[in-house]
This record gives sequence, C-alpha cells and structure tokens, in this order.
Amino acid sequence: NAGVTQTPKFQVLKTGQSMTLQCAQDMNHEYMSWYRQDPGMGLRLIHYSVGAGITDQGEVPNGYNVSRSTTEDFPLRLLSAAPSQTSVYFCASSYSGTGEYQAEAFFGQGTRLTVV
Amino acid sequence: GNSVTQMEGPVTLSEEAFLTINCTYTATGYPSLFWYVQYPGEGLQLLLKATKADDKGSNKGFEATYRKETTSFHLEKGSVQVSDSAVYFCALSGGYNKLIFGAGTRLAVHP
Repeated sequence: NAGVTQTPKFQVLKTGQSMTLQCAQDMNHEYMSWYRQDPGMGLRLIHYSVGAGITDQGEVPNGYNVSRSTTEDFPLRLLSAAPSQTSVYFCASSYSGTGEYQAEAFFGQGTRLTVV
Repeated sequence: GNSVTQMEGPVTLSEEAFLTINCTYTATGYPSLFWYVQYPGEGLQLLLKATKADDKGSNKGFEATYRKETTSFHLEKGSVQVSDSAVYFCALSGGYNKLIFGAGTRLAVHP
C-alpha cells in the first residue's frame, strides 16, 4: 500500500516557468488537499478537494491551480513561478469521517521547490 | 477565524526528561484536534488525536487531553528518547478535514 505519492521530490524553477506537482493516493479517499510549509509558519492550505470534479480554495491559493478528474489524482499547477513560491509542498488525503468525527490526514513525502 | 498557537522552539532536552509542548486553539464549534510529527526529510505522520472535549489521545508514550474550558491540547511525554527528536505540529480540523496548523515546535533530545 503506497499511501500518498508525490513527485518530484526536488525541483528548481526559474522565475516565470510553470510546472505541475503530482499527487496520487491509493486509499480511495474522498478528500485531498495541498499545503505549503514555510519556516516558522507551519503548514498552510493552498487548495482542497472533497471529491472528483470538486475543488475549492484554501488560505493561500494565489498563483496555484488544481483540478481533480479522478479520485486518485490531485495535481497542483504553478502558472508562473515566483521566488515567493519557494517552499516545501505537501499533499494529503483523508476519508470523510462520520458525523462530527473528522478523520486523520495522510501526507506524502513532500516536494521541495526552489524558484530562482 | 480558527487558529492554533503552539510554543516556540527549539526545545532541547536530555534523554529521559519530561516533555511538554503547549498548544492552544481558537475555533467555532467542536473541532477535532491532532498532533502530527515530522521526522527529518519526511512528511507528517499522525501522532495522536482527540475528537471531543475531555478525550485523551495517546500513542508511543505521548499524551494530550482535549480541554475545552482552556481551549488547550498540550502534548506530554514522561521520558523522551533520542528517537523522539523531530518537529511537532498541533492542528485542528476546520471542516472537510481541512487542517489548521500551529507553527511547529522542534524538539532535540540529547543522550
């Protein structure tokens, strides 16, 4: 059971370039999300999805796009990379839980992105 | 809005020392509370969780109690090991399992 798989693990981009960070999960989870981790700020939510075809913005969505065509995949696209997007990116998935119970999230290993 | 505040690090302890990492939260409703741990070069792993007031989450010797009256979820361990060295994140779930994290506390345990 692979869990949540992110690719690539490391990436260097030039300002203005675009790229897609890949995320795939094999646990049939409904919910998927993208976070960025910056020193002293914890993780902040970029975008999330509650199922195939449904996405919404998180706390810091500007400069990023997402789509969810299948339950398994949730790619994150950087449209025009900026140095401020230098960060470590984590993808997470979870099942929906029941009633007030909110399920734990499973995280990928992360993608370290540097924009120069 | 919802938020999480946890004590700043780094926290440096000797092996077998007692650990407390403070976490307080602000939230509407009754969120679930979590502690995640991040070992060097890895993603986050769930350490423990609590879903309602007065629940105690526990795992690997770590414990935390959901205190609604003080809006706190402090992490404790009676005797830390070198292998516990990591970054610890307190988080709450804000609906649709969207997580709101504290800034993280780095723990270093020396022999």
